[in-house]
Amino acid sequence: DSGVTQTPKHLITATGQRVTLRCSPRSGDLSVYWYQQSLDQGLQFLIQYYNGEERAKGNILERFSAQQFPDLHSELNLSSLELGDSALYFCASSVEGQGSEQYFGPGTRLTVT
Amino acid sequence: GENVEQHPSTLSVQEGDSAVIKCTYSDSASNYFPWYKQELGKRPQLIIDIRSNVGEKKDQRIAVTLNKTAKHFSLHITETQPEDSAVYFCAASRGGSQGNLIFGKGTKLSVKP
Repeated sequence: DSGVTQTPKHLITATGQRVTLRCSPRSGDLSVYWYQQSLDQGLQFLIQYYNGEERAKGNILERFSAQQFPDLHSELNLSSLELGDSALYFCASSVEGQGSEQYFGPGTRLTVT
Repeated sequence: GENVEQHPSTLSVQEGDSAVIKCTYSDSASNYFPWYKQELGKRPQLIIDIRSNVGEKKDQRIAVTLNKTAKHFSLHITETQPEDSAVYFCAASRGGSQGNLIFGKGTKLSVKP
């Protein structure tokens, strides 16, 4: 157990819908990262937050957004869902954002039908 | 941006043999190189990491080497066991204010009893 929690574990929804994935970092970690893992694209970085502020953006679609709240938990919002958005979504946390160890949560498996 | 290449994509060894996985990176500013092990359907688990000021690091049966000049780093697993079977990912990260990881495509390691 890494200490990072994610809910829900599984999510099945239809195309065009919107979902919210939630992540709670390890106690004391200020940085949260979101990654998408699909069979053909591997593990891809989406977005990073540090102490409530957006720090870096990766290959995140405009239909996706995220935020980090004052209690440091983070939410990833996915809208206008497409079949191709089906993937495992992981969040990871680290103490800071400068090359420190990242610990991954158990992931949310999203299936878009 | 950073690009990480990982080889081989699959690796099959006999129990007790050694396994080596190699990665190359493109961004000379990258200075943190972790390795993750991922079992089917589970989260990536950090198994070892190395920073650019170190050439080699060892932890029991696993070791990582880094050649900054050639921009490549390798994972070495000795005395492999069936429970080492998993997908292994290398990653690279820049320093500074961002710590997001750029991952290789992964190596599926199978250890045959």
